Amino acid sequence: GAVVSQHPSRVICKSGTSVKIECRSLDFQATTMFWYRQFPKQSLMLMATSNEGSKATYEQGVEKDKFLINHASLTLSTLTVTSAHPEDSSFYICSAREDRGDYGYTFGSGTRLTVV
Amino acid sequence: AQTVTQSQPEMSVQEAETVTLSCTYDTSENNYYLFWYKQPPSRQMILVIRQEAYKQQNATENRFSVNFQKAAKSFSLKISDSQLGDTAMYFCAFMGPSNTGKLIFGQGTTLQVKP
Repeated sequence: GAVVSQHPSRVICKSGTSVKIECRSLDFQATTMFWYRQFPKQSLMLMATSNEGSKATYEQGVEKDKFLINHASLTLSTLTVTSAHPEDSSFYICSAREDRGDYGYTFGSGTRLTVV
Repeated sequence: AQTVTQSQPEMSVQEAETVTLSCTYDTSENNYYLFWYKQPPSRQMILVIRQEAYKQQNATENRFSVNFQKAAKSFSLKISDSQLGDTAMYFCAFMGPSNTGKLIFGQGTTLQVKP
C-alpha cells in the first residue's frame, strides 16, 4: 500500500531557532499534500495545503511567515517552523493524496516538536 | 461550509462486544466521500473504512461496518467483536468536491476496549 515517510519523528529545539520537517511519498506521486497540527486528545487542525510547483494555501489564522511550506517535487513537501517558540510545540502530521487510482489519503507518522 | 460532528468524546466497550460510534455531517453537496480514521497511541492515522455518497450499499471491512444514512446525514461506525487493539481515537472525516481535496475532521471519539 501507499506509504508516507515523515521525518523527524521527534525534535527538540531551542527557542528562536528553525526546524524543518519532511514529508515524502515513497511509492506514489502526490501533487497535493496537507499539513496538520494536533494538540493532545484533540482533532487534526489543517494548517495548509501544499501544491507541487506552486505556493501553499494556508488556512485562516495560520502564519505564513512562521510556517514555511515547500513542495518542490511530486514526492516531497517540507514544513519549516521558523523562529520557533514554546507555543509552537505540538504534534505535526502530513498527508499525501495520490494523483491517480482511488485518490486515497495516506498519513505520515507525525512529528512531535518541543521548543525549549 | 461543511461540518462534521462526533458527539461522543469517550466510549468504552468490553472485549468481544460490539460498539457503535456516531458521526453526523452537514453539506449541501450531493457527491462526496466519508471516512473513518483510527489513531492508536502511536498516533499514526490509519484508514478504517471509506464510503462514497453515491453508493447506497454500506461499506464493510472485516469487523468494521458503517451505517450510512444520506438523508439524515449520518455516518456511524460499528465495530464488531471488539479487540484490545481497537483502543484508539476514531475520527470521522468528510471530503466533498468543493473542498479542493481537504478532509474535514470531526472532534474525535476516544474508544477504550476493556479486557
